[in-house]
Parts: sequence; structure tokens; C-alpha cells
Amino acid sequence: DAKTTQPNSMESNEEEPVHLPCNHSTISGTDYIHWYRQLPSQGPEYVIHGLTSNVNNRMASLAIAEDRKSSTLILHRATLRDAAVYYCILRRANSKLTFGKGITLSVRP
Amino acid sequence: NAGVTQTPKFQVLKTGQSMTLQCAQDMNHEYMSWYRQDPGMGLRLIHYSVGAGITDQGEVPNGYNVSRSTTEDFPLRLLSAAPSQTSVYFCASSNQGPNYEQYFGPGTRLTVT
Repeated sequence: DAKTTQPNSMESNEEEPVHLPCNHSTISGTDYIHWYRQLPSQGPEYVIHGLTSNVNNRMASLAIAEDRKSSTLILHRATLRDAAVYYCILRRANSKLTFGKGITLSVRP
Repeated sequence: NAGVTQTPKFQVLKTGQSMTLQCAQDMNHEYMSWYRQDPGMGLRLIHYSVGAGITDQGEVPNGYNVSRSTTEDFPLRLLSAAPSQTSVYFCASSNQGPNYEQYFGPGTRLTVT
């Protein structure tokens, strides 16, 4: 399975933008880049996904590098509720979704 | 829609006992999967299914069986529980293909003594 690499942790201030990076240098042409997050004591929840173009939704934005070897999840204004583990995952044509360790985001009031 | 439901929410087993974790979805999703999450760790894929009658192994399949007789249900069976299977188990479903989001159930917390 194609792997992703994320920093272990990141801190941000409330109401400031947050940029969470992800490297996926072995991505194949048909892999979609997915982001999920897991709040404390909860199951994972979907955040956003994309293939080549940048994507926006009500939760976040996803910026994908032109060569697709990296991407960045952007939270435009972090809130305390955004403190979670964020997972960057490549979803393949066979639909398998394999999680890595993710990045732990802490938000300071 | 109820989404993805899992039962039970909590379970305590003795070593050697068997049990089935239930998972159901009402979104007509072809793809379903089971994960386990140990304390402080990420999720690991146990088994997955791309449709009724079709299952395949994930990263950590040993000690677990699955079957998919209907689109809606994807039970996970522990054949002979071991303390190493103490974990939180999550079921998930999605439409088939990489361009769809995956929905997760609330989880089952299993303790094996």
C-alpha cells in the first residue's frame, strides 16, 4: 500500500489558520487523497478528499501539489473542537483505506 | 438513515470465549470494513468486503473471521478470544471506489481477561 508521512504533532492558536502537511511520494495516478480526523474517544470522521485539484468544503480545504507527491489540509480558523488526530490516507481503486499514525493537532485558547 | 450501527457498545470476554461483533449499514454501500484501535495507536484494518459474498484480509486478520451474506450486514467473529484482542473495534462502510467517503460506526470496546 502506498504510504503517507505526517509530522507527529502540531500546535495552533484558536481562530488562526492551520496547515497540516502530508507527503505521499509513492502515490499512483488513481489514488485519491483522503483526510479523516478522530476526536478524543470517538470514531474517525471524514474531512475531505481529492485527486488532483484543490478542494474546499464546509470543514476544510485540501491543497494538492502539482506533482501530487504532497498535500496540505487547511483549517481556516481553528477552534478548540478541532483538536484531534488527523489522518492523511491514500485510497486505492480497490477501496481499501489503510490508516497511518496521523498527526495530533492541539489548539491553544 | 441510521448510518453505520454497531452492537454491542461494550463487551467483556474471558480468554477462549467466542463472540460476534455486529455491524449494519442502511446506505446500500457495497464496501464495508473492520478496524481495531489499540490505546494510543492508529486504526488497523482487519478484514474488508467489496460486496455480498466477497471478503478479503486486511493488515491484522489472524483470530478473526468475517462473512458478508447481505449488503447491509458485516459481522466480525472472534473465534477464541485472547487478551491481545482487547481493543476498540470500528466498522465502516462506503460506496465502492476510491472517490467516496467512508462512514464509521461508534465502535465496540472489547476487553478480554
